[in-house]
Amino acid sequence: DAGVTQSPTHLIKTRGQQVTLRCSPKSGHDTVSWYQQALGQGPQFIFQYYEEEERQRGNFPDRFSGHQFPNYSSELNVNALLLGDSALYLCASSIRGIAKNIQYFGAGTRLSVL
Amino acid sequence: SQQGEEDPQALSIQEGENATMNCSYKTSINNLQWYRQNSGRGLVHLILIRSNEREKHSGRLRVTLDTSKKSSSLLITASRAADTASYFCATGAQGSGNTPLVFGKGTRLSVIA
Repeated sequence: DAGVTQSPTHLIKTRGQQVTLRCSPKSGHDTVSWYQQALGQGPQFIFQYYEEEERQRGNFPDRFSGHQFPNYSSELNVNALLLGDSALYLCASSIRGIAKNIQYFGAGTRLSVL
Repeated sequence: SQQGEEDPQALSIQEGENATMNCSYKTSINNLQWYRQNSGRGLVHLILIRSNEREKHSGRLRVTLDTSKKSSSLLITASRAADTASYFCATGAQGSGNTPLVFGKGTRLSVIA
């Protein structure tokens, strides 16, 4: 049973470019959440997708957008990249309606913006 | 913004010793979870404690929760070199089970063989 998979593992972009990160949730999971983790910090919630719609959003600008596909996989898009967007981007999947709310994380995509 | 803080920020111990990490949070919660992260990679869920529980055990892990003080502690007994990692507490707000997790800044644990 595959866990949460993310691609690519590493990515280098320059300021102003756009980037797309991908995530496949754990088998049987229907909810995908994205987090940004800056160096030396804890992860910060970006947004959450369920039934192909953005359900909750953290304090991130509109440059951050996402999508969820019918197979529950998800993409995170960041436009007009800034140096401050350099971080580890983590995808987490879970099952909606389960009270325990345990989220299973992928290994992350490390984005470097030059 | 971060929910709270882990304390200490960094901890270095000898193999076989116990490691204790503390976490404080700010708002009412549904549950509190601890995660481990090795070398800036993905987070691994360790243990969850509900707001109506005071203590929970899982193998060498012991978690306590004091909702009146809005604090939690994670104890790792008989530590091993493989326990070297960053440890984060994460809180889920009251409400539905799929509320976003709010993480602290983490404690970096080094276990020296």
